[in-house]
Amino acid sequence: AQSVAQPEDQVNVAEGNPLTVKCTYSVSGNPYLFWYVQYPNRGLQFLLKYITGDNLVKGSYGFEAEFNKSQTSFHLKKPSALVSDSALYFCAVRDGSGGSYIPTFGRGTSLIVHP
Amino acid sequence: DAGVIQSPRHEVTEMGQEVTLRCKPISGHDYLFWYRQTMMRGLELLIYFNNNVPIDDSGMPEDRFSAKMPNASFSTLKIQPSEPRDSAVYFCASRRQGITYNEQFFGPGTRLTVL
Repeated sequence: AQSVAQPEDQVNVAEGNPLTVKCTYSVSGNPYLFWYVQYPNRGLQFLLKYITGDNLVKGSYGFEAEFNKSQTSFHLKKPSALVSDSALYFCAVRDGSGGSYIPTFGRGTSLIVHP
Repeated sequence: DAGVIQSPRHEVTEMGQEVTLRCKPISGHDYLFWYRQTMMRGLELLIYFNNNVPIDDSGMPEDRFSAKMPNASFSTLKIQPSEPRDSAVYFCASRRQGITYNEQFFGPGTRLTVL
C-alpha cells in the first residue's frame, strides 16, 4: 500500500520569506515522489519529481524539494515566496518497486503568500 | 502540443439528465486518467486506461458512472442519471509510459453543476 500525507491544509507566508509545504509518505518499496501545483480554475501542473539520485530536487518556478528517506518526507521549499505562488499544492507518491503504477495524491495544501 | 483537452469547460444540468464529459489526451501518451475533485474528498481517481483498455475502475462511485476510450485520442466519462452530489470538477490526465515513471499532464477540467 502507498499513501501520502500533507499535514497542513493551509500555509501562510509573507512575500519574500522562505516557504515550506510539508509532505510525508508511506510505500513498501522505493518511493517515486512528485509535487504538482494547481492555480485557480486550472488543472494540476507538474513541478518536480524525485526518482533516484540527489536528495535535493530542483523544479519549475524556483521550487525545490528535499527527499529524506529516514523521515519519509519530501517537503517542498522556495527561498523567497512570491504572491503569484499562491495556489494549491499536491504531493504524490508511487511505489517504484512494483505494485500499482498509479500515484496516490495527497489532499493538497493551500499556499497563501501575503504582499 | 496543445496539452490535454477537455470539453465542455463548464456544464450545468438538472438532476436526472445524462452528462458526457470529453477528453483528448496528449498524442503519444499511453495512459489516461479520470479524476474528480471536490472540497470534501479532494482529488479522487475514478478510472484509468492503458493503451485504450480500462485497467482499474474501482474508483468509479456508482453504476451511474461509465467511461470509454474508443481510440488513443479520445475518451468520455458519462453520468446517467446525474445527481446533485455529482457536482465537482472532473479532470482528465495523460502520461507517457517510460523506463522511469513519467509525470501526468492534466487537462483544465470540467466544472459540473447538477441542480
